[in-house]
Amino acid sequence: QSVLTQPPSVSAAPGQKVTISCSGSISNIGKYDVSWYQQIPGTVPKLLIYGNDKRSSGIPDRFSGSKSGTSATLGITGLQTGDEADYYCGTWDTSLLAGVFGGGTKLTVL
Amino acid sequence: EVQLVESGGGSVQPGGSLRLSCAAYGFTFGDYWMTWVRQAPGKGLEWVANIKQEGFDKYYVDSVKGRFTISRDNTKDSLYLQMNALRVEDTAVYYCARNRWAGLGLDPWGQGTLVTVSS
Repeated sequence: QSVLTQPPSVSAAPGQKVTISCSGSISNIGKYDVSWYQQIPGTVPKLLIYGNDKRSSGIPDRFSGSKSGTSATLGITGLQTGDEADYYCGTWDTSLLAGVFGGGTKLTVL
Repeated sequence: EVQLVESGGGSVQPGGSLRLSCAAYGFTFGDYWMTWVRQAPGKGLEWVANIKQEGFDKYYVDSVKGRFTISRDNTKDSLYLQMNALRVEDTAVYYCARNRWAGLGLDPWGQGTLVTVSS
C-alpha cells in the first residue's frame, strides 16, 4: 500500500487528453513539492515534472502538472502512442522522514 | 554529459551482503543530495535512502533500516549502498539518482543494477 495513491490505469485515444491523480496527506503533498516520472517499459524512469508544475528539460508542453492541497495531477494532451508508459508521482514525507512514490499509473493509448 | 553509472549488483543468498556503487560524471557531485531507489520485478518504484551533500545526514525507508547503509565519497564522486542481511524481498533493480530539485525531483537516474536474493 503506497503512501501516495494513484489510479492503477487510465486510457484514452490518440490526440485526446488524460489526467492522472496523486492523492496524499498533509505530511507529504500538503507540505512538499511533487515530482512526476515517466517509465516506458524496460527503460529507466525519467523526470517529467518537478516543483509541482515545472517541466524538466526537454519535456514537451503537452505535459503539465498541478497541485492543490494534498493532491497533485499530471495532465497529458495530444496523446501519442509513444506516451504509453507507467507514470509515478513522488515527494518527501515529513512524518516518515522518507521519500515516497505513488503506486504508479499505467497509461494506455487506445 | 551528466551521468550516473551503477555497479555491484548480482545474486546472493538470503542473509548475505552486497555493496552497490554509483559513479557520477559531468557535475559537481558534492553539491547534491543523492538517492537510491529500487524497483522489484513487475512492481513500482520504492525510495530506499538518501544522503546529504557532506554525508552526515542520511534517511532510510523503514524496511531497510539497520540493514542497509548509504555513504558517499566526494573525493571519488561516488555513492554507495552497503546491503547486509539481505532478504528475498530485497530483490530489485537498484537505481541511484541525483536530487536535482526539491520534493523528490530526481534527475538523472543511473541505468540500474539488478540485485537478486535467492536460495
